[in-house]
Amino acid sequence: DIQMTQSPSTLSASVGDRVTITCRASQRISSWLAWYQQKPGRAPKLLIYKASSLQSGVPSRFSGSGSGTEFTLTISSLQPDDFASYYCQQYTSYSYTFGQGTKLELK
Amino acid sequence: QVTLKESGPALVKPTQTLTLTCTFSGFSFNTRGTRASWIRQPPGKALEWLARIDWDNDKFYSTSLKTRLTISKDTSKNQVVLTMTNMDPADTATYYCARLVASGDAFDIWGQGTMVTVSS
Repeated sequence: DIQMTQSPSTLSASVGDRVTITCRASQRISSWLAWYQQKPGRAPKLLIYKASSLQSGVPSRFSGSGSGTEFTLTISSLQPDDFASYYCQQYTSYSYTFGQGTKLELK
Repeated sequence: QVTLKESGPALVKPTQTLTLTCTFSGFSFNTRGTRASWIRQPPGKALEWLARIDWDNDKFYSTSLKTRLTISKDTSKNQVVLTMTNMDPADTATYYCARLVASGDAFDIWGQGTMVTVSS
């Protein structure tokens, strides 16, 4: 199975900061990569699919890039509502794998 | 509006079989391309994909759990059902059902999740 490794595991930042989270795949996955935001006690929310496509209704401060094995999620200017956990997810060969998550906390 | 809601027992004993039901609205398995999955999340841990079922009844399972899982659908009732045999305390988790986007393999709409504890 393909493994997904996110970094960092925890990220401390302030409102207004630009932050980047990285996700690396153990094998090439083309652009089959999605990003989710999850808040405590809530279901994940889809932010980005196909590596760089913004899900409808998601603010444009969120962006995704990458292909092959390395991907990034960027938040251009952190808002108070953005402090949460973030997960990447890959799809290949009828199987899905999530990263271990990145907790974005207030500095 | 698309919604999904999971239901099932909150507590099961080790070795028992778990049956979870996802009841949805706003879409139908009669529509070509419709797909839905089950995903779980142990407390404080990452998400783990379990199974997927498609509009044409194709089914796909997690490699590590496929011997224990069965996914099915009842199109007339707008339901997706997951059974997991031989439950273990390590299976304690919140179980989510989710729909896949029409283009691309991401989960666009999720249920609220149902917490299942495995304990004697």
